[in-house]
Amino acid sequence: DAGVIQSPRHEVTEMGQEVTLRCKPISGHDYLFWYRQTMMRGLELLIYFNNNVPIDDSGMPEDRFSAKMPNASFSTLKIQPSEPRDSAVYFCASSPRRGSDTQYFGPGTRLTVL
Amino acid sequence: GQSLEQPSEVTAVEGAIVQINCTYQTSGFYGLSWYQQHDGGAPTFLSYNALDGLEETGRFSSFLSRSDSYGYLLLQELQMKDSASYFCAVGRKGGADGLTFGKGTHLIIQP
Repeated sequence: DAGVIQSPRHEVTEMGQEVTLRCKPISGHDYLFWYRQTMMRGLELLIYFNNNVPIDDSGMPEDRFSAKMPNASFSTLKIQPSEPRDSAVYFCASSPRRGSDTQYFGPGTRLTVL
Repeated sequence: GQSLEQPSEVTAVEGAIVQINCTYQTSGFYGLSWYQQHDGGAPTFLSYNALDGLEETGRFSSFLSRSDSYGYLLLQELQMKDSASYFCAVGRKGGADGLTFGKGTHLIIQP
């Protein structure tokens, strides 16, 4: 299995631009999570999906952030407009079922907003 | 809400044993997970404790005491490749409903 795939691996953009991060979960996994990691705040859960449906988006910092999962093999996290404080590593993770103790993380997207 | 406390940094010698502690506060507890993250890498799952006691997986062991809201990760026969950050985490609603992570413990291994 290829594992969780994220693209791009690195993104540098200017403040005010739209940023779209992409994720392909492991086939057969029903749960998908978006996390953000910064030095100050550590690893934070932003939103998660079950069977393509958003379940909990309470971790999404602002309305500038949105996430979609149009099908079982693809999800996007969009930031519009981006700000320098959005600079972080964004991880996507997937899990096979509720109650599973293991989440499988993708390699992450390192976002820098200038 | 949920919060976890762990030391920010631990230093140990190659070949030795090190213990990384984690205390947690959570409304509704389902289990304590441990993840390893190398610099520039992604978190990878190490272990999970739902019940009190010790779980052993090779050189790594994890312990949980639910009455004390406390757990630890024990690494034996330390190798240089074990230099990484280690995170404890609890489930928000149990299992696959998203994790709340501690701030991580940076393990430094000296030769």
